[in-house]
Amino acid sequence: DVKVTQSSRYLVKRTGEKVFLECVQDMDHENMFWYRQDPGLGLRLIYFSYDVKMKEKGDIPEGYSVSREKKERFSLILESASTNQTSMYLCASSPVGTGGLGGYTFGSGTRLTVV
Amino acid sequence: AQSVTQPDIHITVSEGASLELRCNYSYGATPYLFWYVQSPGQGLQLLLKYFSGDTLVQGIKGFEAEFKRSQSSFNLRKPSVHWSDAAEYFCAVGAESGYSTLTFGKGTMLLVSP
Repeated sequence: DVKVTQSSRYLVKRTGEKVFLECVQDMDHENMFWYRQDPGLGLRLIYFSYDVKMKEKGDIPEGYSVSREKKERFSLILESASTNQTSMYLCASSPVGTGGLGGYTFGSGTRLTVV
Repeated sequence: AQSVTQPDIHITVSEGASLELRCNYSYGATPYLFWYVQSPGQGLQLLLKYFSGDTLVQGIKGFEAEFKRSQSSFNLRKPSVHWSDAAEYFCAVGAESGYSTLTFGKGTMLLVSP
């Protein structure tokens, strides 16, 4: 069964810490995405990547960075965590083709709490 | 810029009753449209998608959706709801170009009463 795996389901970090959220997909997808999900706001795109070492800003990139050193792995980095980054983080991947919208496959999410 | 509106934040339906979840999109060209479902504590699962052709699309779990260009709508329907359908539902729109991303609506929470 194809999968997008996020390394942690729940994470608690302190304000000011550097936080790494890891995402791995086993489908050989070119595209990978990071979204955050908040009640009443839906999903908002943070960053995405169409290829190794390539990244593009989404709608809310401030306070975040990403890394894609290998095709299967896409990391989200919170350089200095703040309480307003407490959220559910969702990783997704998709193949190229059909306009790059072959359909996203999502991971189960990481619920991050910053205290 | 593309956008999606899901007018209903919450909907409660009796088990066995029919369901329609509304989705309106804004996009200048031919949109690619999707419905996803999210069970509590889980990621999103694709229910169905529309790219072109027949405007009535069938998805998994007995869901269907109809694309109406004149109304800029892509409403999700199910003839008979089961308690296991209780979840949050997201509509999404994407562009036809090769490297676009999906824009999601804010979601509709479906509650199923006995």
